[in-house]
Amino acid sequence: AQTVTQSQPEMSVQEAETVTLSCTYDTSENNYYLFWYKQPPSRQMILVIRQEAYKQQNATENRFSVNFQKAAKSFSLKISDSQLGDTAMYFCAFETDTGNQFYFGTGTSLTVIP
Amino acid sequence: KAGVTQTPRYLIKTRGQQVTLSCSPISGHRSVSWYQQTPGQGLQFLFEYFSETQRNKGNFPGRFSGRQFSNSRSEMNVSTLELGDSALYLCASSLAPQGGYTDTQYFGPGTRLTVL
Repeated sequence: AQTVTQSQPEMSVQEAETVTLSCTYDTSENNYYLFWYKQPPSRQMILVIRQEAYKQQNATENRFSVNFQKAAKSFSLKISDSQLGDTAMYFCAFETDTGNQFYFGTGTSLTVIP
Repeated sequence: KAGVTQTPRYLIKTRGQQVTLSCSPISGHRSVSWYQQTPGQGLQFLFEYFSETQRNKGNFPGRFSGRQFSNSRSEMNVSTLELGDSALYLCASSLAPQGGYTDTQYFGPGTRLTVL
């Protein structure tokens, strides 16, 4: 069975500081994809960053980067220079390269404090 | 390209009624997935459609059903509504290259269903 665990239901960070959101997953598959999605309050869910499991290099998108530890099945999201617009619910998600279903964590609610 | 659209955005129904929600994927996307989002449960997978065929289904009762049309638009139907069906229903589309895995999903704004 595939599972995704986000152990931090809520987090907060001061504006301009750095925060790391945790995500672990469980799978017996070797090839898969990992995602972080952001859902601002009352707004649409959008993709933040994507990582292919076969790539050793950690993905980066501007202020967002991941720390992908395949052996530990860990996929954390680091947000640098936090901005007020980063306030949102963040979901970690996983999909195998042979599947057609995403598995989502329960989300981490991040608040950026001015 | 236009994003994923969902209609209606808000819906209020009473127990026992049925409801149909619609999703139009991004042009060229062939896979459509549906999720139920509630505050305590996060995103729960309902089902996924590709080329008018349901490829995968989550653990929801038979009251929840869906279909996909030849233009990839999808609908989901909930019959005999219960109070617990109140939720945000999200639709997501993806390219599904080579007819295989769904790859990156792009979400619609959701339909907020309230059952009274």
